[in-house]
Amino acid sequence: EAGVVQSPRYKIIEKKQPVAFWCNPISGHNTLYWYLQNLGQGPELLIRYENEEAVDDSQLPKDRFSAERLKGVDSTLKIQPAELGDSAVYLCASSMGGSYNEQFFGPGTRLTVL
Amino acid sequence: KQEVTQIPAALSVPEGENLVLNCSFTDSAIYNLQWFRQDPGKGLTSLLLIQSSQREQTSGRLNASLDKSSGRSTLYIAASQPGDSATYLCAVYTGGFKTIFGAGTRLFVKA
Repeated sequence: EAGVVQSPRYKIIEKKQPVAFWCNPISGHNTLYWYLQNLGQGPELLIRYENEEAVDDSQLPKDRFSAERLKGVDSTLKIQPAELGDSAVYLCASSMGGSYNEQFFGPGTRLTVL
Repeated sequence: KQEVTQIPAALSVPEGENLVLNCSFTDSAIYNLQWFRQDPGKGLTSLLLIQSSQREQTSGRLNASLDKSSGRSTLYIAASQPGDSATYLCAVYTGGFKTIFGAGTRLFVKA
């Protein structure tokens, strides 16, 4: 069974440029999460989806970040415009329906903003 | 507000040693607790999930325990190997479907 797929794995951009990350969850997993992980820290939730509905986006900086999960399967996270402080690893995870179930993570996208 | 702490931040042990990693949380009203492993430059790999009604879970050389009343979980690794070198993170599932992570313990097992 394929795990959580993310692309790209690495991205280097200039500040003020836009960037997008893509995630395909494990088949059958209704819940999808986007996390941000800074060096030496644990992941912090940006947004959680139940199917196509964003049920928790309280930590998403909505002035520059947006996300979508059309059709309730794969998802895209966008930053526009990127700032230097956005340099981090962006992780996608998925779990079976309901949000107390075991989470499975993708390899992450390492973003560097110059 | 739930806070999760992992001590120590880093640990170095010789190969073959049994070791314990600690995870503490401030609010005992949790649902599940999950332990992960993260290799450098990689995503998180799930190791064990302990449901709130359970006291422990075992997988191979790993044993995780949960004491909700004291706000603690431990991950026991038996007969450590160099391949166990990684960062180990715990995550607490709390009310409102929140997942709170600790900062992790970086483990180095010397051959």
